[in-house]
Amino acid sequence: DAGVIQSPRHEVTEMGQEVTLRCKPISGHNSLFWYRQTMMRGLELLIYFNNNVPIDDSGMPEDRFSAKMPNASFSTLKIQPSEPRDSAVYFCASSTGGSNTEAFFGQGTRLTVV
Amino acid sequence: QQQVKQSPQSLIVQKGGIPIINCAYENTAFDYFPWYQQFPGKGPALLIAIRPDVSEKKEGRFTISFNKSAKQFSLHIMDSQPGDSATYFCAASKFGDDKIIFGKGTRLHILP
Repeated sequence: DAGVIQSPRHEVTEMGQEVTLRCKPISGHNSLFWYRQTMMRGLELLIYFNNNVPIDDSGMPEDRFSAKMPNASFSTLKIQPSEPRDSAVYFCASSTGGSNTEAFFGQGTRLTVV
Repeated sequence: QQQVKQSPQSLIVQKGGIPIINCAYENTAFDYFPWYQQFPGKGPALLIAIRPDVSEKKEGRFTISFNKSAKQFSLHIMDSQPGDSATYFCAASKFGDDKIIFGKGTRLHILP
């Protein structure tokens, strides 16, 4: 398996524009997570899905952020409109689900909003 | 409220030294404590993990020490090497919950 695949690797956009980040989890994994990494806040959990259903979105910073998982092999994180403070590295991770299992991370998308 | 507190934020150690990274948690429902290692430009990857029924776990040069009563755990790296230079995250999760809560990370630099 190629691991968790994220696209794009880098995104530079202007403030106010819509940004869509994409993730393909490892085949057979039931849980999918979106994290945001910044120097100030470290790794923050934004939302996670189990069997394509959003379970906990309490980490989503505000209504400008939304996430979907239309099927077991694809998820998106959308920011609309984007703001400079959204600049960060966004990671997608997947796991087999259940308690105490390893999360496998993608290589991340570095987002810069200017 | 930060559920997992990690220190220090950054650490510089000479080659061969023993860097120690500390973490503390509040939620006694946590029952799984992994450490993740992240190299620049990469996503974090699981390094080693411990459950609260043991006080220590070793894998190669990496050791987790766990103090259940103090709600603290730490990572020790024996005979550290420049290749160990990375960001280290402690984390916690609880039975019945998929999500993993991470500390803020420690940037470790091992001098050659």
